[in-house]
Amino acid sequence: QVHLQQWGAGQLKPSETLSLTCVVYSGSLSDYYWSWIRQSPGKGLEWIGEINHSGITHYNPSLASRVTISVDTSKDQFSLKLNSVTAADTAVYYCARRDYGFWSGSHYYFYYMDVWDKGTTVTVS
Amino acid sequence: SSDLTQDPAVSVALGQTVTITCQGDSLRNYFPSWYQQKPGQAPVLIIFAKNNRPSGITDRFSASTSGNTASLTITGAQAEDEADYYCNCRDRYGDQLIFGGGTKLTVL
Repeated sequence: QVHLQQWGAGQLKPSETLSLTCVVYSGSLSDYYWSWIRQSPGKGLEWIGEINHSGITHYNPSLASRVTISVDTSKDQFSLKLNSVTAADTAVYYCARRDYGFWSGSHYYFYYMDVWDKGTTVTVS
Repeated sequence: SSDLTQDPAVSVALGQTVTITCQGDSLRNYFPSWYQQKPGQAPVLIIFAKNNRPSGITDRFSASTSGNTASLTITGAQAEDEADYYCNCRDRYGDQLIFGGGTKLTVL
């Protein structure tokens, strides 16, 4: 059973760089994308970006100028860096496994995040 | 980019059926996934693809999509179904994933 565990600094000052790493246990980075999602206090979920084992990344356009997601296949982990943080970046950050498929009957693709870690709170103050 | 729109709050009487909707242009190309989130917990995937439930998810949850609207139906709502529900899919205009704003379900 794949599970994810992340670690990183939970308290930052404005203008610093947020750095989180998510480790994949009992599974492989191959065949999936690996996502970062955040949730500001009292707000909804916001997708930050994702990466696959080859290092192909996709980012939320609203955060792309400040975000870098990287992967280290030798350690089965992937990382998030968000630079120039402000109080608006205070949130619970989640890492998740993202899979996808194609429903041939409807010619629809579908994407889903089926494994999540418990999240870590990052406070910028 | 495009958005997914959800009603902020919905309520249902215990044991009754409730539908939570998600609207957006991207739903014309992608089936959404649905997530349940309870206070202080990580989201949990409850529906993906056309209407698939991961192992361990109750069959009280079902989903459908028509045009630009996706629906999550909870049949015979229970007290433990009280939670926030989010839809999510890929943006038809780019490579990013997008979330709806979430719907807070209250079971009366």
